[in-house]
Amino acid sequence: ETGVTQTPRHLVMGMTNKKSLKCEQHLGHNAMYWYKQSAKKPLELMFVYNFKEQTENNSVPSRFSPECPNSSHLFLHLHTLQPEDSALYLCASSQDASPLHFGNGTRLTVT
Amino acid sequence: GENVEQHPSTLSVQEGDSAVIKCTYSDSASNYFPWYKQELGKRPQLIIDIRSNVGEKKDQRIAVTLNKTAKHFSLHITETQPEDSAVYFCAARVAGTALIFGKGTTLSVSS
Repeated sequence: ETGVTQTPRHLVMGMTNKKSLKCEQHLGHNAMYWYKQSAKKPLELMFVYNFKEQTENNSVPSRFSPECPNSSHLFLHLHTLQPEDSALYLCASSQDASPLHFGNGTRLTVT
Repeated sequence: GENVEQHPSTLSVQEGDSAVIKCTYSDSASNYFPWYKQELGKRPQLIIDIRSNVGEKKDQRIAVTLNKTAKHFSLHITETQPEDSAVYFCAARVAGTALIFGKGTTLSVSS
């Protein structure tokens, strides 16, 4: 048990589909994050939420839409994605200045 | 914003040798520097971290050094073992902002 749970673990979707990634943290943290991990690239920060309020949007295309209904849950809604969006999407949480705790990620393939 | 450079991108060592991975950061206000290890198919996990008021920190075979003047920090692994083989990421953070990661170093330890 990592403390940060992501579902689904794997997702294959067409470019016209709409899907959502889910993240839940059981650590009582106040901040949640979405990172994108592509081959041979650094972990790219996408969104940050502190106490349910979005504090960072790292120039992410609008086809990615985050939602944070409470400090324990985070969603990433996907629509009309492109093949280059195929990647591992990692959710993480932290408390103030504490280290990040990552989930196991969702491996997304866009066909 | 913060930018983190990491070198080398790949590193191969013999079992028992030492391995050193170096990172530089751009924002002198950064005050927190963690290192994460990611094994194949798994989530990144924190292995050691250092804050800007400390120059060096050790945990068994792993050590991190920080040079604030030069804005660089390094990970040192001694007596490497095959299970140390993984991708290692450095990161830096300015207080109140999200972690920014380096591109990663793939470490291979051969027996």
